[in-house]
Amino acid sequence: SYDLTQPLSVSVALGQTARISCKGNNIGIKNVHWYQQRPGQPPVLVIYRGGNRPSGIPERFSGSNSGNTATLTISRAQAGDEADYSCQVWDSSTMVFGGGTKLTVL
Amino acid sequence: EVQLAESGGGLVQPGGSLRLSCVGSGFTFRNYNMNWVRQAPGKGLEWVSYISSSGGTIYYADSMKGRFTISRDNAGDSLYLQMNNLRGEDTALYFCARAFGAGPALDVWGQGTMVTVSS
Repeated sequence: SYDLTQPLSVSVALGQTARISCKGNNIGIKNVHWYQQRPGQPPVLVIYRGGNRPSGIPERFSGSNSGNTATLTISRAQAGDEADYSCQVWDSSTMVFGGGTKLTVL
Repeated sequence: EVQLAESGGGLVQPGGSLRLSCVGSGFTFRNYNMNWVRQAPGKGLEWVSYISSSGGTIYYADSMKGRFTISRDNAGDSLYLQMNNLRGEDTALYFCARAFGAGPALDVWGQGTMVTVSS
């Protein structure tokens, strides 16, 4: 089975740039999607197919994907960005999620 | 407004069964592939099952195969998950989610319905 590995937690100072990694074997050839989930809320798609933003998602959110690592980048981090972030791919007729990363904005 | 609304969760004993429902509104339900995703308390997201727009293609996560059955009623804009032989580890919040694009991504999620398996 395909595995996606994310750091358990990432911290970022208010107004600085946060980067959350998602590691998987040759993930660079896959469509990677990212979700934000605030406590008590369902997930929200923030990046799809590596670097595309759905309507309503701020330009501060961006994504990249190459080799064995996909990265979600949040620029000018705000208090409201504090949440869990999960990556996701589709592999061999199976949807796979990373374990999730808790982003703390200091 | 595009929405998904789940129902049918509750408390069930180990070995019991439960049927979850999800109703879509604000979009043409029959045109979209759909999924069930679950989240155990304090844990990450876990994919459960996928069904194509016509219902002709279905996939399951390995741990659900043989116990869970996904289905849909496009005339009623509804998605279902029949869960049998439930175990304690099936305790989770179950979301239905709309799929789109290659990959695919999940662009619309319901609020979820809680399933608790306990004696």
